[in-house]
Amino acid sequence: ETGVTQTPRHLVMGMTNKKSLKCEQHLGHNAMYWYKQSAKKPLELMFVYNFKEQTENNSVPSRFSPECPNSSHLFLHLHTLQPEDSALYLCASSQGNGQPQHFGDGTRLSIL
Amino acid sequence: KQEVTQIPAALSVPEGENLVLNCSFTDSAIYNLQWFRQDPGKGLTSLLLIQSSQREQTSGRLNASLDKSSGRSTLYIAASQPGDSATYLCAVTPPGVGGSEKLVFGKGTKLTVNP
Repeated sequence: ETGVTQTPRHLVMGMTNKKSLKCEQHLGHNAMYWYKQSAKKPLELMFVYNFKEQTENNSVPSRFSPECPNSSHLFLHLHTLQPEDSALYLCASSQGNGQPQHFGDGTRLSIL
Repeated sequence: KQEVTQIPAALSVPEGENLVLNCSFTDSAIYNLQWFRQDPGKGLTSLLLIQSSQREQTSGRLNASLDKSSGRSTLYIAASQPGDSATYLCAVTPPGVGGSEKLVFGKGTKLTVNP
């Protein structure tokens, strides 16, 4: 599945660093999503964008800042993260209206 | 609040065996239910999607059933193969405007099929 591409695949950062995760979809979808997958916990929805507009913020701390400049690109800007933020961050896209979501392979984030 | 539970958490079977993975959800008001597969270090691949009005969906050796009233779904894998080894995730979508975007996932069942 190459329809949704995430970079970088791995990221190690200190608690005071600022970094960004990137997601790009080539499927012509209108909706894009950020999920967090931690060990021993279910996959958690973080943000939803429809036609570049944020339609869902699932009580995510402000140290995570999403950006959706167009329907094909989604960013997650990170700053002053905590060790508990270490996880696999997955991006997905869909046509919306309950259509299947297509996932990227994720960014494995480790906070030192 | 919708919660999704998957049992068992892990399952190991010999090649060729038929097997069933279970998923239960606490709120029967759902828009649809999906089964996903996740390989180590990879994202999720959608396997089957069952609309709330449907009872089952089939794709190759996979069959998913949905009993919305009892809050249960099963994923049946026939004639399992080592390549089926992966984590299988169940997710439900709540109804309502925008609800179709909010997948609620279980923790998954890690399946190992031994040659």
